[in-house]
Amino acid sequence: AIQMTQSPSSLSASVGDRVTITCRAGQDIGNDLDWYQQKPGKAPKLLIYGASNLQSGVPSRFSGSGSGTDFTLTISSLQPEDFAIYYCQEEHNFPWTFGQGTKVDIK
Amino acid sequence: QAQLVESGGGVVQPGKSLRLSCAASGFTFSNDAMHWVRQAPGKGLEWVAVVWHDGSNKYYTDSVKGRFTISRDNSKNTLYLQMNSLTLEDTAVYYCAKGGRIVVESRTYYYGMDVWGQGTTVTVSS
Repeated sequence: AIQMTQSPSSLSASVGDRVTITCRAGQDIGNDLDWYQQKPGKAPKLLIYGASNLQSGVPSRFSGSGSGTDFTLTISSLQPEDFAIYYCQEEHNFPWTFGQGTKVDIK
Repeated sequence: QAQLVESGGGVVQPGKSLRLSCAASGFTFSNDAMHWVRQAPGKGLEWVAVVWHDGSNKYYTDSVKGRFTISRDNSKNTLYLQMNSLTLEDTAVYYCAKGGRIVVESRTYYYGMDVWGQGTTVTVSS
């Protein structure tokens, strides 16, 4: 299985801040990388697929970039509803694997 | 709109079995791959298994191989996860999820998991 490592594990930010989360794959996965948002007690929600494609209905303040082994999720201007845990997930090979998650909370 | 509803969770003793179900509606179930993902209490997400749209291919995470079986009944729009020889480490919320699919210039691309159920809780305890 491919190991996925996210950083940081947690961060504190204010409304309006630009937030960046990184994800590193243990091997080259091309652009086979997705990002999910999960709020407490809720199911995950797909934000970005194929490293940089915005899922339908997701606000444009979310963006993804990267390829190969290094990827980034950026929230351009953090909103109150964005406080959550974010996971990257590779879909290059089965079994798919998730990163350990990055918790974004209020500063 | 697309909706997934899991059922079948509960409390079970180690070594016993449980079958989860996931009822799909609002989309053409037989067109899409389906996944199970789990989340242990206070932990991150773990992908468990996938079944192709027609049931022709199935893949599992290593920790459940030989114990769990994913299946689907396209006539009933339902996904299943048969879980045998359960251990304490299988305690989790289990989510079913629909595989993403997009058609661009007559080519079909598959990606991620774009619709999720609300989850069903499995507790393995003696």
